[in-house]
Amino acid sequence: EAGVAQSPRYKIIEKRQSVAFWCNPISGHATLYWYQQILGQGPKLLIQFQNNGVVDDSQLPKDRFSAERLKGVDSTLKIQPAKLEDSAVYLCASSLGTSGGGKNNEQFFGPGTRLTVL
Amino acid sequence: DQQVKQNSPSLSVQEGRISILNCDYTNSMFDYFLWYKKYPAEGPTFLISISSIKDKNEDGRFTVFLNKSAKHLSLHIVPSQPGDSAVYFCAASAGSGNTGKLIFGQGTTLQVKP
Repeated sequence: EAGVAQSPRYKIIEKRQSVAFWCNPISGHATLYWYQQILGQGPKLLIQFQNNGVVDDSQLPKDRFSAERLKGVDSTLKIQPAKLEDSAVYLCASSLGTSGGGKNNEQFFGPGTRLTVL
Repeated sequence: DQQVKQNSPSLSVQEGRISILNCDYTNSMFDYFLWYKKYPAEGPTFLISISSIKDKNEDGRFTVFLNKSAKHLSLHIVPSQPGDSAVYFCAASAGSGNTGKLIFGQGTTLQVKP
């Protein structure tokens, strides 16, 4: 079974530029998550999709971050304009469902995209 | 507000000995807890979990203990192996039927020396 795919793996941009990340979840997984992991911290949820609808985007900085999941499969996360503090690893994860913390909610993570903003 | 805390940034143990990683939480609504393991340049991978109705869950060399009254959980690895060297994240979620949102701790880097 193929895992969660993400691209690019690394990206270096200057502040005020824009950047986009792509994620392809595990086939059949209804729920997709984007996390931001700053060095020395744990992953922080940015946005959660159930199929192509947003379930939770309470921690997404909506003035500069946007995400979409067209057709309930692939997803893109965009930052425009980027700030220095956006330097982090952006992780995409997927799970079968969202029912509490049971096995259906076990999240499978992609390798992440390491973003450096100069 | 750090709802899940891993107060030890790093831990070093000898191969064959026990590794104990600790995690504390503040939100009494959390009812499901997970441990993830992360190697460099890879995403976290699920290791073991425990529901709040239990106080222990075992899977091979890995055992997770939950003390609800103390809002504390720990991961025991016995015996530790060099391949266990990684960053370990504790995570928690609240309420069956919720969105499944996970709150992660800061991580503990485990080094197992041969």
